[in-house]
Amino acid sequence: DAGVIQSPRHEVTEMGQEVTLRCKPISGHDYLFWYRQTMMRGLELLIYFNNNVPIDDSGMPEDRFSAKMPNASFSTLKIQPSEPRDSAVYFCASSPRGTLSSYNEQFFGPGTRLTVL
Amino acid sequence: ELKVEQNPLFLSMQEGKNYTIYCNYSTTSDRLYWYRQDPGKSLESLFVLLSNGAVKQEGRLMASLDTKARLSTLHITAAVHDLSATYFCAVDSLRGAQKLVFGQGTRLTINP
Repeated sequence: DAGVIQSPRHEVTEMGQEVTLRCKPISGHDYLFWYRQTMMRGLELLIYFNNNVPIDDSGMPEDRFSAKMPNASFSTLKIQPSEPRDSAVYFCASSPRGTLSSYNEQFFGPGTRLTVL
Repeated sequence: ELKVEQNPLFLSMQEGKNYTIYCNYSTTSDRLYWYRQDPGKSLESLFVLLSNGAVKQEGRLMASLDTKARLSTLHITAAVHDLSATYFCAVDSLRGAQKLVFGQGTRLTINP
């Protein structure tokens, strides 16, 4: 039973380059979340999707960041152009369908450690 | 705006001792989650607390929820080195919104 899959696990790039992070959620989960974790800011929610539709992107730091979910089994987070302050660990998480009577436990992927030089 | 605060943020303790991590949140919620993160690793779900008075235990860890006080505790009994990690609590931002608000995390170091 595969969990959330992320690729690449590590990415080193130079300032100004485009970076694409990928995520495959757990099969059957309707919600997908992108987080960023740094020592200074902790764990931040960037954006989340429900049934492939972006619901809340208020955490996306600026226009250089974009996220897509073209189908239920794949999502990307793109940074263009990248800057050194984007260096962080980016986590993808997924959650099964929620109703007013269920709960919202999220399952995290292994993360992508991004370093922008 | 929902805020989640953990206390303490850093905790160093000796093996065999007991201690408690506190998680306070600012608005009404009856669902709270505890996660563990080992250095360089991802977040792993530990407990899901779904109602006032809920208590869950796994090994040396016990979590409880008091929704009236807006407080959850994670109690460590007779700590062992393997429990060294960062522990996060998280709260539902709004019923039905499917978004969690995380605390800052408590970095726990257990020394032999």
